[in-house]
Amino acid sequence: ELKVEQNPLFLSMQEGKNYTIYCNYSTTSDRLYWYRQDPGKSLESLFVLLSNGAVKQEGRLMASLDTKARLSTLHITAAVHDLSATYFCAVDKNAGGTSYGKLTFGQGTILTVHP
Amino acid sequence: GAVVSQHPSWVICKSGTSVKIECRSLDFQATTMFWYRQFPKQSLMLMATSNEGSKATYEQGVEKDKFLINHASLTLSTLTVTSAHPEDSSFYICSASAGTVSYNSPLHFGNGTRLTVT
Repeated sequence: ELKVEQNPLFLSMQEGKNYTIYCNYSTTSDRLYWYRQDPGKSLESLFVLLSNGAVKQEGRLMASLDTKARLSTLHITAAVHDLSATYFCAVDKNAGGTSYGKLTFGQGTILTVHP
Repeated sequence: GAVVSQHPSWVICKSGTSVKIECRSLDFQATTMFWYRQFPKQSLMLMATSNEGSKATYEQGVEKDKFLINHASLTLSTLTVTSAHPEDSSFYICSASAGTVSYNSPLHFGNGTRLTVT
């Protein structure tokens, strides 16, 4: 059974600081996603990571994937208040298959950025 | 970009009644749609996989007779919560996949439906 674990689950940051959220998963997969969720809202796609060593950056967020270690990271640079949200990583169960989208989610990391 | 629409956004129903939630892919053909449930302050849990023209596949612990899924076309899947009870109150979210065509694309989720059963 695929298990996905995030840490930390709660993260309180000061504006301007850097931090990393970690996502570990238990079985082989060729795709990992990062999503953002604001309170009462659905998921906003941030990154899709498809191969070992993949690194993607968008604004103050950067995600990486190490398939050998079964680890993905989401790095936050110079945090701002607008980044406050819950962040989920999710791993695709259909590794190497032809149909994608069956996801197992991590527990989520609640990020609060304060002045 | 790919858009997934979900309707209604929220619904309040009485215990024992049934509620239907629609999930539509607006600009692509979705061979597969997925239904997730999210309880307050928890993560998303996959309920079932909906394939166009065939029976849905349910995850362990999800009652197929209670959560009826129909995927009659390549752009529409519906989830019907039958004989709803207060413990079914949750946030239901769908996502859609075009299969191999979307390998390099992010999966998109609908806006979710907040169900409250009184």
